[in-house]
Amino acid sequence: DVKVTQSSRYLVKRTGEKVFLECVQDMDHENMFWYRQDPGLGLRLIYFSYDVKMKEKGDIPEGYSVSREKKERFSLILESASTNQTSMYLCASSLEINQPQHFGDGTRLSIL
Amino acid sequence: SQKIEQNSEALNIQEGKTATLTCNYTNYSPAYLQWYRQDPGRGPVFLLLIRENEKEKRKERLKVTFDTTLKQSLFHITASQPADSATYLCALDMWEGSQGNLIFGKGTKLSVKP
Repeated sequence: DVKVTQSSRYLVKRTGEKVFLECVQDMDHENMFWYRQDPGLGLRLIYFSYDVKMKEKGDIPEGYSVSREKKERFSLILESASTNQTSMYLCASSLEINQPQHFGDGTRLSIL
Repeated sequence: SQKIEQNSEALNIQEGKTATLTCNYTNYSPAYLQWYRQDPGRGPVFLLLIRENEKEKRKERLKVTFDTTLKQSLFHITASQPADSATYLCALDMWEGSQGNLIFGKGTKLSVKP
């Protein structure tokens, strides 16, 4: 069974801080994704990666960056956290780009 | 732009009845449609995938239909149980905008009362 692990379930940070969210998958999947989920807005794609060192912008990349140095690890970086980035962040991986995605349990991030 | 609508935010049904959830989309013809279940505080879990050339797919008490003419998918849970209570998300593959990735609906929260 695929396991996607997000480093923190809950995180509280201050405005202006640089924040790192980590995600690791154990099934050798090529594709990894970062979403945020907000009430009434659903899941929105921030960034995705289809190979090591490759990254592509999703629908809402502003204020975020990503890093994929190893196949199993995909990091989301908030360069200078703002209160409107308070959200649930979900990482996912998949074998093929439009195939079923396997999600982690999310990081609930609060920016104060 | 592509739009996905799930029929309602919430659906309440009695245990033992069939739950039917709807997913409608516009402006595109996806090759795949997927359904996920999400429990509170957890990530979505994949349930079923149906291709554009398939009319129906089943898995235990779950059934999904895909009508490309109506641009609609129906998701059925037969003999529903309180343990089926969760939010159900539909997702389509979209080549426009998100470069082949999935676009998710906002979900329907299903509550099954004993």
